Amino acid sequence: GPKVLQIPSHQIIDMGQMVTLNCDPVSNHLYFYWYKQILGQQMEFLVNFYNGKVMEKSKLFKDQFSVERPDGSYFTLKIQPTALEDSAVYFCASSLTGGEDTQYFGPGTRLLVL
Amino acid sequence: DAKTTQPDSMESTEGETVHLPCSHATISGNEYIYWYRQVPLQGPEYVTHGLQQNTTNSMAFLAIASDRKSSTLILPHVSLRDAAVYHCILMQQGTGSKLSFGKGAKLTVSP
Repeated sequence: GPKVLQIPSHQIIDMGQMVTLNCDPVSNHLYFYWYKQILGQQMEFLVNFYNGKVMEKSKLFKDQFSVERPDGSYFTLKIQPTALEDSAVYFCASSLTGGEDTQYFGPGTRLLVL
Repeated sequence: DAKTTQPDSMESTEGETVHLPCSHATISGNEYIYWYRQVPLQGPEYVTHGLQQNTTNSMAFLAIASDRKSSTLILPHVSLRDAAVYHCILMQQGTGSKLSFGKGAKLTVSP
């Protein structure tokens, strides 16, 4: 199926630092998503993004989080500053259209905040 | 969001046909039934989806009850690679919908 790439695969940072997670979505897709999965727990929706704007965000999407896709390049999730509870695997997804269209997921970025 | 109910786990043997049930008694008319699967250390993989009619693709057959209150994902001739957590998720029509993952059903496949 369509491939979504995520860079880096792993990231270790100190609490309080800034981190940017990068997502290379499927080339013609227009809707983008971030999900968070803490080890051993359910995956949870963070945010979705279309046409340069956040469409919907969950309670997990704290003020320290931001997303953007400058100039149609990577779709990024920035956390500034990071906290210990931000340690998780972050999955990016994309879909051609929104609504009920199929979302395709990347392999995840494993973030460890020390 | 309407919820789904799945068994916590199911066991199978290579070569068998596996039926994974999902109950969604409060499904709305504009909600699609999606199935994803996830193996450890990987992102969810799309399996199939449907609205009212049964659907089939190279991975699975999705049987949807006529009242849409339940569905069954049928995996023919499973292999070890089919071992995963299978998630049955309802997705509402509209813009920018989110996927609400539950615990899913863990499928174990024995040689």
